[in-house]
Amino acid sequence: QVQLQESGPGLVKPSETLSLTCTVSGGSISNYYWSWIRQPPGKGLEWIAYIYYRGNTNYNPSLQSRVTISVDTSKSQFSLKLTSVTAADTAVYYCARGRGTYSNSAFDIWGQGTMVTVSS
Amino acid sequence: DIVMTQSPDSLAVSLGERATINCKSSQSVLYSSNNKNYLAWYQQKPGQPPKLLIYWASTRESGVPDRFSGSGSGTDFTLTISSLQAEDVALYYCHQYYGTPRTFGQGTKVEIK
Repeated sequence: QVQLQESGPGLVKPSETLSLTCTVSGGSISNYYWSWIRQPPGKGLEWIAYIYYRGNTNYNPSLQSRVTISVDTSKSQFSLKLTSVTAADTAVYYCARGRGTYSNSAFDIWGQGTMVTVSS
Repeated sequence: DIVMTQSPDSLAVSLGERATINCKSSQSVLYSSNNKNYLAWYQQKPGQPPKLLIYWASTRESGVPDRFSGSGSGTDFTLTISSLQAEDVALYYCHQYYGTPRTFGQGTKVEIK
């Protein structure tokens, strides 16, 4: 079955760039939309962005100026970069798959999440 | 942005009793051309990622027990757990995937009374 695994530094300094990668295994990265979603400690879920395997993207306007999402189909990976981080970016970051082959889909497969703390 | 508002924020239900969670969207998430509501429900247990329970407002994801059901249309939706089990203690979120940005409700905590 398809599995997602996030990877990247667990600690990032303020004003630096947060970089995470999600590796897709057990299935193809093709024909699906892939998202990043975050959850600050004790708080709710915030969608960050999605990318289609062909590279089409869509960003949350609240983060758009600082976010870049990219895909590497040869490695079955997609990535997130968030620049100029502050303590408010401290969260568990999840990668997730849209369950249909269209952009407007619920998220049926999630990674386990990776905690990223922004602190000096 | 489409704002999703859940009620209540928390509820305590006896084992075997019904639990009902409501979700209201600030605008309709019903797409008239296909008559589908772009609304999903997730369950999240501590230390785990959310798990998809319901999509298209009322379609149960494969493997989800049939005690979970979703209903509603347009702007008002409900997740019902018909007979609460101990393993259903969790946070529940509604989510709209009609517009961007995708948005979630604030969550409802379900506990055992």
